[in-house]
Amino acid sequence: GGIITQTPKFLIGQEGQKLTLKCQQNFNHDTMYWYRQDSGKGLRLIYYSITENDLQKGDLSEGYDASREKKSSFSLTVTSAQKNEMAVFLCASSRGSERLFFGHGTKLSVL
Amino acid sequence: GQGVEQPAKLMSVEGTFARVNCTYSTSGFNGLSWYQQREGQAPVFLSYVVLDGLKDSGHFSTFLSRSNGYSYLLLTELQIKDSASYLCAVRDRRGSALGRLHFGAGTQLIVIP
Repeated sequence: GGIITQTPKFLIGQEGQKLTLKCQQNFNHDTMYWYRQDSGKGLRLIYYSITENDLQKGDLSEGYDASREKKSSFSLTVTSAQKNEMAVFLCASSRGSERLFFGHGTKLSVL
Repeated sequence: GQGVEQPAKLMSVEGTFARVNCTYSTSGFNGLSWYQQREGQAPVFLSYVVLDGLKDSGHFSTFLSRSNGYSYLLLTELQIKDSASYLCAVRDRRGSALGRLHFGAGTQLIVIP
């Protein structure tokens, strides 16, 4: 089996700060995703990538950048953290369209 | 617009069953998935359906009606450890592309003794 590793698990930032979240997978999956999970709301897609160096915007891409440096890694950057922002960012990967494998998430808090 | 709706909470008694409902409205349809997410953990894939009818997978069964934009996840012989959030996700169809996955907010199932 494989695993998806997200770092860090917890991230505390200051308002206006640029913050980077990292994700690694060893499934050898082509497609990787970044979702944001807020309490009481469904997972919202920020960015996804169907292969190395590919980048596709999701529904919530404004305020974020992403980078697929190699097949196994996909990073997400919060370009300017918003005061009192609190959310969980989930990374996922898939081979096809049926099943996503998720990481445990990065919990972001902005002071 | 694109929408996937689920009830926020559901409570059932240990040893009985629970039915978690999901209704959706998307631009085309290219499959529906269910995930289980325990507190503080990653969502875990449970089931995928693309054709109408009931798909029996033992402890979990999934029903789909595409004409009604409706699905449910049925859990039988409930155990306390089934207490979790259950997420419904619908993939739309955009031209010839794979389509986008739309998640509901999840249903928090509480199993009581």
